[in-house]
Amino acid sequence: EPEVTQTPSHQVTQMGQEVILRCVPISNHLYFYWYRQILGQKVEFLVSFYNNEISEKSEIFDDQFSVERPDGSNFTLKIRSTKLEDSAMYFCASSGTGEKLFFGSGTQLSVL
Amino acid sequence: KNEVEQSPQNLTAQEGEFITINCSYSVGISALHWLQQHPGGGIVSLFMLSSGKKKHGRLIATINIQEKHSSLHITASHPRDSAVYICAVQKTSYDKVIFGPGTSLSVIP
Repeated sequence: EPEVTQTPSHQVTQMGQEVILRCVPISNHLYFYWYRQILGQKVEFLVSFYNNEISEKSEIFDDQFSVERPDGSNFTLKIRSTKLEDSAMYFCASSGTGEKLFFGSGTQLSVL
Repeated sequence: KNEVEQSPQNLTAQEGEFITINCSYSVGISALHWLQQHPGGGIVSLFMLSSGKKKHGRLIATINIQEKHSSLHITASHPRDSAVYICAVQKTSYDKVIFGPGTSLSVIP
């Protein structure tokens, strides 16, 4: 089965530092998403991306967050100045037309 | 109020038991997803439903659009079924997925 690939699997950073989380969605998919899950809580939506632009974003997705699809294959989430409360598992997902969602295995971000 | 609710929150079963996890939602949807999350954290899509019933191996998912309710059944449960099962909905195609709180299932040998 095709896979969504996320790197790195773990990222440790100091508060205030910038981090970039990377995702390679399934090649013929058109819709891309970032979600996050704080330990012990449910998965929360961050942002959706279609046709090279953000289609929807949540209240969590403030000015510190940005997404890019720089080269037609990678899909990145950047956090400019990390805060302690950004510590979470971040999931990338993609879908095609009328298809189920495919999730990456996640990046565990720890902000110290 | 949460848009997606699940019950039970936690479930322990003996190997071989028939298991049912319920999901209710309060919004109009175009699709409902059942997802599985293992202790390592990865999320796997089990089913995407817009009506009726789907079956895959020992897993069966049903949805009643009028009652805004879905169930996930596991027949002949096995310890490897131990995971968190998550119900999630989409209001329109390609819309964000709204996650439920999950049901933590533990199947004991």
